Amino acid sequence: KAGVTQTPRYLIKTRGQQVTLSCSPISGHRSVSWYQQTPGQGLQFLFEYFSETQRNKGNFPGRFSGRQFSNSRSEMNVSTLELGDSALYLCASSPPSWTGPYEQYFGPGTRLTVT
Amino acid sequence: GIQVEQSPPDLILQEGANSTLRCNFSDSVNNLQWFHQNPWGQLINLFYIPSGTKQNGRLSATTVATERYSLLYISSSQTTDSGVYFCAVLPIGQNFVFGPGTRLSVLP
Repeated sequence: KAGVTQTPRYLIKTRGQQVTLSCSPISGHRSVSWYQQTPGQGLQFLFEYFSETQRNKGNFPGRFSGRQFSNSRSEMNVSTLELGDSALYLCASSPPSWTGPYEQYFGPGTRLTVT
Repeated sequence: GIQVEQSPPDLILQEGANSTLRCNFSDSVNNLQWFHQNPWGQLINLFYIPSGTKQNGRLSATTVATERYSLLYISSSQTTDSGVYFCAVLPIGQNFVFGPGTRLSVLP
């Protein structure tokens, strides 16, 4: 089975711009979660989607949003970028479960640099 | 919210040495995973271990859910074991929470 894929792998943006990151889960997985990793804050949960619905959300401002498509692919969007948004953004997929994500499998990440 | 602690924060070993990494958590959890993050940032699944003991080659893990801790054992360490090891716990009704990680350096 192909693993979780994320595009693009690297991205450089300017403050004030917006960015869209994409994640394709493992075939058959319906839960997709997004995480932000920074040296200062570690790995922090952004949100989780299951069957096109946001099931859980972390403590991030409304500039961070996401969505999931009917094929389980997910996108996250960050509007009005700030320097502090520079981070590694990781996507994880989990096998289908109505009660929450179980074993998570991570993609390679998208490294975003905001200048 | 739940607190997840990992110890030690940093560990330096000579190749061939054994080590034990610990993860403590402050509340009941449904699940627990151990990951290894390589220098390129990829998080690699090591174990999905909500309870009990599992082994995979030179690595093994034990979770004692009733006492709220998990241990990761690395035997005969190799330079390729270097990186950061994370435990992630799944509190009931919530999403995964990651610990701060243990940075392991294995010297040749």
